[in-house]
Amino acid sequence: SQTIHQWPATLVQPVGSPLSLECTVEGTSNPNLYWYRQAAGRGLQLLFYSVGIGQISSEVPQNLSASRPQDRQFILSSKKLLLSDSGFYLCAWSVGGGISPLHFGNGTRLTVT
Amino acid sequence: AQSVSQHNHHVILSEAASLELGCNYSYGGTVNLFWYVQYPGQHLQLLLKYFSGDPLVKGIKGFEAEFIKSKFSFNLRKPSVQWSDTAEYFCAVIKAAGNKLTFGGGTRVLVKP
Repeated sequence: SQTIHQWPATLVQPVGSPLSLECTVEGTSNPNLYWYRQAAGRGLQLLFYSVGIGQISSEVPQNLSASRPQDRQFILSSKKLLLSDSGFYLCAWSVGGGISPLHFGNGTRLTVT
Repeated sequence: AQSVSQHNHHVILSEAASLELGCNYSYGGTVNLFWYVQYPGQHLQLLLKYFSGDPLVKGIKGFEAEFIKSKFSFNLRKPSVQWSDTAEYFCAVIKAAGNKLTFGGGTRVLVKP
């Protein structure tokens, strides 16, 4: 069966520090991978998605970047965190697009101080 | 670009009351539609989906949703709610051949026992 691992679960980082959140999927090949940010009352904002290794689509101009170095690995990064980067970050995967539902990880609560 | 609107941010109702959550999207082409639910302390999970056929779709836990193409709507309903339906509900839309799933802002539902 397929599983998704996202870590860390919580993270407190000072302003200006770098960020690296990792997500891996097991049990499937060539998944679509997604990074969302969830904010209270604002739903889920799509940050990045990837349909293959090295293919990244950025949805929102911001202080973050994403990379997909391996088929089932998706990394969210920042060189210098801002206070506004605080939030709950969710990784998700699907098999192709269209009718395939997303399967979400447990999320990372990031607090930038 | 596609967008999704959920009109109610918070809904409070008593057990056995009927629930209807509104969802409208803006995209003129063929879409696939989803409702996700996030119970307190849990990760997002799929409630139901529509991609073709009968516009009235049934999901888990007695939920159903009706796709009305002319109104660009996909409202979620449950005839009689239970306390365990307390959760946040998200509507989501994806182009039929697309990879980008766009979420609405979410509706927090509180069911009083």
